[in-house]
Amino acid sequence: DTGVSQDPRHKITKRGQNVTFRCDPISEHNRLYWYRQTLGQGPEFLTYFQNEAQLEKSRLLSDRFSAERPKGSFSTLEIQRTEQGDSAMYLCASSLGLAGVNEQFFGPGTRLTVL
Amino acid sequence: GQSLEQPSEVTAVEGAIVQINCTYQTSGFYGLSWYQQHDGGAPTFLSYNALDGLEETGRFSSFLSRSDSYGYLLLQELQMKDSASYFCAVRVEAGKSTFGDGTTLTVKP
Repeated sequence: DTGVSQDPRHKITKRGQNVTFRCDPISEHNRLYWYRQTLGQGPEFLTYFQNEAQLEKSRLLSDRFSAERPKGSFSTLEIQRTEQGDSAMYLCASSLGLAGVNEQFFGPGTRLTVL
Repeated sequence: GQSLEQPSEVTAVEGAIVQINCTYQTSGFYGLSWYQQHDGGAPTFLSYNALDGLEETGRFSSFLSRSDSYGYLLLQELQMKDSASYFCAVRVEAGKSTFGDGTTLTVKP
């Protein structure tokens, strides 16, 4: 299967700890997105990459969040000094990034629980 | 700011037709997408409308009126497996989409 993969699938951490999530997009996709989703809500945009360039970052995102896509392939999302409010499902998606094509393929997500 | 409004819940019976509406107020607009998400699963793409009109894909159709800032998803011949959450999403910039809070569809036998 060559879909979007995310690791780990679940993460439990204590408040104040740092966590890092990995996303491997579909290989030919040049756009990669990170979202956060809480129960009963839609995915909330965090950031996106075109190849290795981070082109947009949500103003809702605090400085504790950082994302990288060093070689334009996989991406990592790091949350520093986690807070209980960071508990959520973190979704990664990828797309071809072509004009007129907007289909995003989502990974299974990483469920973060901050105790 | 960005806001998308869609009903929180819809219930219908197997074999019926259901329409899920979405109205939006966004700072930018490239197009309107629809995604389906089953409990515990990832969102999966259903459709994308960049221009006014109706797009049909099998049992699902999606409509857009840019002048009314309105779209809908039409599901025909409902099946039990269609029970899921449905999200509309506005592509507000080239790489950024804003999602609604979703409509939970329950299909009853």
